[in-house]
Amino acid sequence: GAVVSQHPSRVICKSGTSVKIECRSLDFQATTMFWYRQFPKQSLMLMATSNEGSKATYEQGVEKDKFLINHASLTLSTLTVTSAHPEDSSFYICSAVKRRNTIYFGEGSWLTVV
Amino acid sequence: GQQLNQSPQSMFIQEGEDVSMNCTSSSIFNTWLWYKQDPGEGPVLLIALYKAGELTSNGRLTAQFGITRKDSFLNISASIPSDVGIYFCAGPSGESGGATNKLIFGTGTLLAVQP
Repeated sequence: GAVVSQHPSRVICKSGTSVKIECRSLDFQATTMFWYRQFPKQSLMLMATSNEGSKATYEQGVEKDKFLINHASLTLSTLTVTSAHPEDSSFYICSAVKRRNTIYFGEGSWLTVV
Repeated sequence: GQQLNQSPQSMFIQEGEDVSMNCTSSSIFNTWLWYKQDPGEGPVLLIALYKAGELTSNGRLTAQFGITRKDSFLNISASIPSDVGIYFCAGPSGESGGATNKLIFGTGTLLAVQP
């Protein structure tokens, strides 16, 4: 069964609004989670590293004020896309480190901004 | 920076055939991970390799960590239609000695299996 769960799996929002995506580790504690973005027919692109109890670390070119990450507990990280635009439409995936460099991914969340 | 190159980009095979794909890097990796991604879903971990030369199986899947630590291959034996998907290799970024577990992903291999 799944060890990392994302919610919602699909979301449609209006341009200019904000949307939150949750990532939960189901049977383990994850001090570190990662957020990825994937465009059709492309590989996963790392957006940021979410650290429990501290600020997220963003990859170069990723706007931290637009993609807000909160890792408030050892089992939950959230990604909030603020003031969403159509070009933010994408597949967002989180992952969590369970042990020894073994990383599990969530099911992904499809975001469509209209 | 570190890059992972996967080949082939895509494969179209008949059910029952064996499949092999590989991943190469310009730099050394301490861990190799192989994932399968179905359309519209997150990647699912297939096999994790931690030591150079390691050969690990998971059912019909076999993966090996290259001796040079710069490559890995994944074999699928007796393919079935549900093997269809995109297969990615991945390894931890060399930043911070790989301790952060930031993954670098290969370019992916699309596998299509004809019944």
